[in-house]
Amino acid sequence: AQSVTQLGSHVSVSEGALVLLRCNYSSSVPPYLFWYVQYPNQGLQLLLKYTTGATLVKGINGFEAEFKKSETSFHLTKPSAHMSDAAEYFCAVSVRGGGNKLTFGTGTQLKVEL
Amino acid sequence: DVKVTQSSRYLVKRTGEKVFLECVQDMDHENMFWYRQDPGLGLRLIYFSYDVKMKEKGDIPEGYSVSREKKERFSLILESASTNQTSMYLCASSLSGGSGSTDTQYFGPGTRLTVL
Repeated sequence: AQSVTQLGSHVSVSEGALVLLRCNYSSSVPPYLFWYVQYPNQGLQLLLKYTTGATLVKGINGFEAEFKKSETSFHLTKPSAHMSDAAEYFCAVSVRGGGNKLTFGTGTQLKVEL
Repeated sequence: DVKVTQSSRYLVKRTGEKVFLECVQDMDHENMFWYRQDPGLGLRLIYFSYDVKMKEKGDIPEGYSVSREKKERFSLILESASTNQTSMYLCASSLSGGSGSTDTQYFGPGTRLTVL
């Protein structure tokens, strides 16, 4: 079975500062990794995903994540935070043959301050 | 754009009531999912379906059942609601059946259910 750990349930950054949200996974087979974002009072939407190939993945709204197999990590970054980035972020994992079942982390609430 | 709609944004029910949560997607997706979202626990899969009339248990199916009579509609049923089922319920859909594990899941806005 696979699992995801998100370090830090709340992260606060200043507007214009680097955003770093941490995600570590556990899987006995090669994983597929996802980051979803949830804005207040909305459902989740996909930010980016890693399936195969290039380990640095670029997503929407200036976010990117790097798959590091040796560290079992898939951290999400953005060079410069904007107020509109305030939301909850979820890392998720699935595996080949898993029927598109996702296992989610517990989420990180990002706060952006002036 | 893919659209996933859920029948209610907010719902208040009493203990012991039978509760139906409806989800409809308009993009001919094969897969549909029901999750519950609780603070500090993230999203947990209740049931999913990869075809009409097919269903599989997720990680927390106890106290729930589902129905998928038409491809576009996936219903979550609480046979006898209890206070510990107070939660946010999210429906999602994705394109392909089988082992298409890289498909993006598209989520509805959620139903916040309160059981008194």
